[in-house]
Amino acid sequence: KNQVEQSPQSLIILEGKNCTLQCNYTVSPFSNLRWYKQDTGRGPVSLTIMTFSENTKSNGRYTATLDADTKQSSLHITASQLSDSASYICVVSAAPTGGGNKLTFGTGTQLKVEL
Amino acid sequence: NAGVTQTPKFQVLKTGQSMTLQCAQDMNHEYMSWYRQDPGMGLRLIHYSVGAGITDQGEVPNGYNVSRSTTEDFPLRLLSAAPSQTSVYFCASMRSGQGNTIYFGEGSWLTVV
Repeated sequence: KNQVEQSPQSLIILEGKNCTLQCNYTVSPFSNLRWYKQDTGRGPVSLTIMTFSENTKSNGRYTATLDADTKQSSLHITASQLSDSASYICVVSAAPTGGGNKLTFGTGTQLKVEL
Repeated sequence: NAGVTQTPKFQVLKTGQSMTLQCAQDMNHEYMSWYRQDPGMGLRLIHYSVGAGITDQGEVPNGYNVSRSTTEDFPLRLLSAAPSQTSVYFCASMRSGQGNTIYFGEGSWLTVV
């Protein structure tokens, strides 16, 4: 069964600090991996999308890495801000089409940034 | 740019009542889907559509119906609401093809009492 596991489940950091969120998956065959940010009471918003051949992708202070061999991804947040407080969701697509019906969602890491 | 629009935002139903959650997108996306999000669980696919006139079941379809008469609209119908359907529902759309961004609506909070 395709699975996506995220760690930690929750995290509290001080403003200005960096943090790294982890995503391990067993989705096969792999098509692509997405990271989403979900603010409380809102819908998820896309941060990055990586295919098999991409090792890293950045979006401002967010940098995602992918190791397709070990089936692991990480999301690194640099110089955190209060507005980074949200749930971060890892989503993995299965091949061959990577279509929307082939998505497996992680349960998310709840990040809280404090003063 | 409206993106994906869901209505209503909040709804309380009594057990056995029926209702329709509306979803519309203005990006001409072929693919649309409905998910439910429950505490401690990832989003789970209810139904999806790859184009007008085409729908299919996802992971948790029981108790829900959908239709896709136009590219823009993808309503989700609860036939006879049950407390187990208390959840947050998200509509999403995406252009067909690999690696495209999935756009989510803002969510509909449904409580069945």
